[in-house]
Amino acid sequence: GAVVSQHPSWVICKSGTSVKIECRSLDFQATTMFWYRQFPKQSLMLMATSNEGSKATYEQGVEKDKFLINHASLTLSTLTVTSAHPEDSSFYICSARRGYQPQHFGDGTRLSIL
Amino acid sequence: RKEVEQDPGPFNVPEGATVAFNCTYSNSASQSFFWYRQDCRKEPKLLMSVYSSGNEDGRFTAQLNRASQYISLLIRDSKLSDSATYLCVVNPRDTGNQFYFGTGTSLTVIP
Repeated sequence: GAVVSQHPSWVICKSGTSVKIECRSLDFQATTMFWYRQFPKQSLMLMATSNEGSKATYEQGVEKDKFLINHASLTLSTLTVTSAHPEDSSFYICSARRGYQPQHFGDGTRLSIL
Repeated sequence: RKEVEQDPGPFNVPEGATVAFNCTYSNSASQSFFWYRQDCRKEPKLLMSVYSSGNEDGRFTAQLNRASQYISLLIRDSKLSDSATYLCVVNPRDTGNQFYFGTGTSLTVIP
């Protein structure tokens, strides 16, 4: 089946650090990639949608200057949490899809900001 | 009104039981429907797509009722390994790539 790789899987950083998370579709070309955040015992919350070569579309309430998304190729998207603070600690998950196929999710990244 | 609504549960059922989850959606133009399974502290994994004619995969059966705008997931002969959160996902084609997730239904299968 389709494989989406996310890296790193766990990050612990000091407050004020910027953290970059990579999302790669390994065996298919993803026309669209999605970034989600999930707090404990809550559902996935879509942060932004990105199409290769164009600017990401952010959901309401998500600061685009805080969460920088780059989708440089059909197999790679990155999310950079700039100047992270403890309230940014969460589980960040990317997903990728080709056309109207189902989404396939990365393993997720646990971000802990001290 | 939320785009997708699910009963969060928890559903606690004995091994071997049959359990069913429903999920309602608000956008009648919705075209694509999926069930995902999410284990604790893991990413969601696609369980099955839901087709208009209904579909079955082993012990799992998914149904779509467009008139009442709901999809269902039936699990027969529950196994301990079925314990997870089941997420209903809807993609209204008229909103482009937007996917809407339900909050998930928690299932625990008890020995």
